[in-house]
This record gives sequence, C-alpha cells and structure tokens, in this order.
Amino acid sequence: NAGVTQTPKFRVLKTGQSMTLLCAQDMNHEYMYWYRQDPGMGLRLIHYSVGEGTTAKGEVPDGYNVSRLKKQNFLLGLESAAPSQTSVYFCASSRGATLNTEAFFGQGTRLTVV
Amino acid sequence: KQEVTQIPAALSVPEGENLVLNCSFTDSAIYNLQWFRQDPGKGLTSLLLIQSSQREQTSGRLNASLDKSSGRSTLYIAASQPGDSATYLCAVITDYKLSFGAGTTVTVRA
Repeated sequence: NAGVTQTPKFRVLKTGQSMTLLCAQDMNHEYMYWYRQDPGMGLRLIHYSVGEGTTAKGEVPDGYNVSRLKKQNFLLGLESAAPSQTSVYFCASSRGATLNTEAFFGQGTRLTVV
Repeated sequence: KQEVTQIPAALSVPEGENLVLNCSFTDSAIYNLQWFRQDPGKGLTSLLLIQSSQREQTSGRLNASLDKSSGRSTLYIAASQPGDSATYLCAVITDYKLSFGAGTTVTVRA
C-alpha cells in the first residue's frame, strides 16, 4: 500500500520563485495536514483540511496556500519563496479527529530556498 | 493553545536497558495521543495510538500509558536494541489537528 505520497522529495528554489507540493493518499481519509519541521522547533501545522473542498489555517500559514479539490489530494503552494521557508515539509492524513483516528505521514519534501 | 513537552530531549543507554520517554501536555481535552518514531532524514512512523478513554496501549516491546487528567503519557521500550535508535515524537489530537512535542532522541549503544 502506498499510504501517503509526497512529490517532490527534494527541491531547490530561488527567492521569489513559486512551487506546488503535492500530497496524495490512498486510504480514503477525510483529514489532511501540512506540517513543516525545523531544527529546534518541532513540527508546526501550516494548513489542514477536514474534507474535500475545505481548508483551514494552522499555526504558521503565512506565505502558503492550499487546495483540496479532490479528497485524495492536498496541495501546498508557495507563491513567492523566501529563505525562511527552507524546511522539511510533511503531509499527513487521518480518518478523522475523534475516536480511533491514527495519522499517517508521508516521507517529506526537503525544500531549500536560496 | 496546546503545549506539548517531551523530556528528556536526548537519551543514551546501553543495549538491553529499558527506555522511558515522557510526554506532557497542557490541555487535557484531547481526543487521542499518538507516538511516532522518526529516523534521520525520514518521515514519521506511527508506533501507538491511545484513545482518550484508554489508560494504555501495547505493541510488542512498546507500551504507552496515558493519564489524561494529569496531562501525561509515557512510552516504555523494553530491552532496547541498537535498532531502536531514533527520535520519538508524541502528538496530541485536539480540535482536528495534531500538536507535537519536540521529540526525544534516543541512542542505544551496542
């Protein structure tokens, strides 16, 4: 089973460039999340979605946009990349947020903005 | 805002010793608590999920306890092995999202 797949795995951007990170899950999960992981700061929530067509802001949403046009996909966009967005990005999905929900993570996207 | 703390930040033990990893959280109104393992440069692998109504959960050499009223969870790893070396993260699930601790980095010496 593929689980949660992130594309691409590595990317180098120049300041001001834009890009889209793709997250795909094959578990028919309702909830999807985008996190960033930085040394000494742990994982911080950027945006999340509780179902197809919905999105919501997390702790650190500035500079990012998201879309959930299809249930299985959650896209994270950087409109104008900045060096502060250099990080490892993780996508996750879960069935829900109440009982017996287990979150599954992708392998991450390592993004460097120069 | 939910704050999650993991102590210690790092731990080094000889092979065969039992590991005890601690996680505390400030808001006891959680749905679930999940423990993850992360190897260097890799993603997060789910180890155990404890529902808010449960007191503990076991999987092989791993046992996790949850005391929701005091805002604490403990992950026990019995008879540690070098392959257990990794960073262990706990996450509490509230308001539709997971809040993470900074993790405990474990080194098991052969």
